[in-house]
Amino acid sequence: ETGVTQTPRHLVMGMTNKKSLKCEQHLGHNAMYWYKQSAKKPLELMFVYSLEERVENNSVPSRFSPECPNSSHLFLHLHTLQPEDSALYLCASSQAWTGLANVLTFGAGSRLTVL
Amino acid sequence: DQQVKQNSPSLSVQEGRISILNCDYTNSMFDYFLWYKKYPAEGPTFLISISSIKDKNEDGRFTVFLNKSAKHLSLHIVPSQPGDSAVYFCAAILNSYSGGGADGLTFGKGTHLIIQP
Repeated sequence: ETGVTQTPRHLVMGMTNKKSLKCEQHLGHNAMYWYKQSAKKPLELMFVYSLEERVENNSVPSRFSPECPNSSHLFLHLHTLQPEDSALYLCASSQAWTGLANVLTFGAGSRLTVL
Repeated sequence: DQQVKQNSPSLSVQEGRISILNCDYTNSMFDYFLWYKKYPAEGPTFLISISSIKDKNEDGRFTVFLNKSAKHLSLHIVPSQPGDSAVYFCAAILNSYSGGGADGLTFGKGTHLIIQP
């Protein structure tokens, strides 16, 4: 496989469930990201990992918990979510700190619905 | 407060004509700008970028213009084709030359471009 792969593509969960989103990149990048895309809102950066260490958390509620076990894999653990957390969650990767080459490669996203 | 604004949620253009997508920004420290294109059920893909030291960058049918004094950039697609129908996101980076990483990307809300046959 090439690029950035996200699973599952669609997820429906209740507010008391625990689930995880998975992201895998095959590009040799060393930075990975979670973005949230809600209807009629800009893409919102949630978490950044560079060289497997978290470098940014944009004030995301603790019900979202990221995990980056290695430079190719990124998880987003979900616990006691709210209906307003329903959104498209996009994973991305890039070469960290490469100046003008700072373009992201995105996965297709995981569409989450919280009932 | 939004630092990158795409004020047109949607734009409809006839096939073969020029599509012009606009983007405004408020932070004068942004020095690198990108456009991403997104089809339904797919992630955004990088389309074209421009550095603040330039005022134009061209790649085939796609040209991005940057007006720093007006804090405005635009994406021109000529001629527009049905496959160009997608959501286009404008994004900006702070201090890219000093090592600003992609974590510094700020996105607009996107403009849905519809190319009519």
